[in-house]
Amino acid sequence: SQQGEEDPQALSIQEGENATMNCSYKTSINNLQWYRQNSGRGLVHLILIRSNEREKHSGRLRVTLDTSKKSSSLLITASRAADTASYFCATRSGGSYIPTFGRGTSLIVHP
Amino acid sequence: KAGVTQTPRYLIKTRGQQVTLSCSPISGHRSVSWYQQTPGQGLQFLFEYFSETQRNKGNFPGRFSGRQFSNSRSEMNVSTLELGDSALYLCASSWTSGGAPDTQYFGPGTRLTVL
Repeated sequence: SQQGEEDPQALSIQEGENATMNCSYKTSINNLQWYRQNSGRGLVHLILIRSNEREKHSGRLRVTLDTSKKSSSLLITASRAADTASYFCATRSGGSYIPTFGRGTSLIVHP
Repeated sequence: KAGVTQTPRYLIKTRGQQVTLSCSPISGHRSVSWYQQTPGQGLQFLFEYFSETQRNKGNFPGRFSGRQFSNSRSEMNVSTLELGDSALYLCASSWTSGGAPDTQYFGPGTRLTVL
């Protein structure tokens, strides 16, 4: 089963609005990463947040991590049509080298 | 630096054939991982190579294999192709000193269609 699960599965918003995606996971993690994937292409790394961090920012992106709830959120502020993509969270647990990806949130930003 | 490159980008094969996909990591990256992405199963880890050794393996049958060369380039091979092997195959590289790799940089993928 997937370690990380994104919510919602799909999100449709207007340009300029904020988009929030959530990721829940089951076991304790070392770090959590967010990736973006444009249709049928490779994944682009967005942000890595470690288990001892609570919030990180990168441009219009803000990621929070709540280890007590085993959840993370990705906020995209002032969204643009170019943000249209699928967003995945990936977790790495214990001594495992293997990141586990969720099924992703499909974001559509209407111009 | 050039990004991760994968060849070919698109491939059409028939059941029973075999296929070899190639991945060139970012210069200096020694870890290369392979993933299979399908609409039904999402992104699933195939295997990871580090310094020419398979370090980790996902839950895939033995028809899926790979190798890594001394220049860190990697290939994966799928033998006796099945319809269910149709997928986007993604390669990712990362820099690691030998511990768990952190940020992975993905290639554009190879779209394999099995008829």
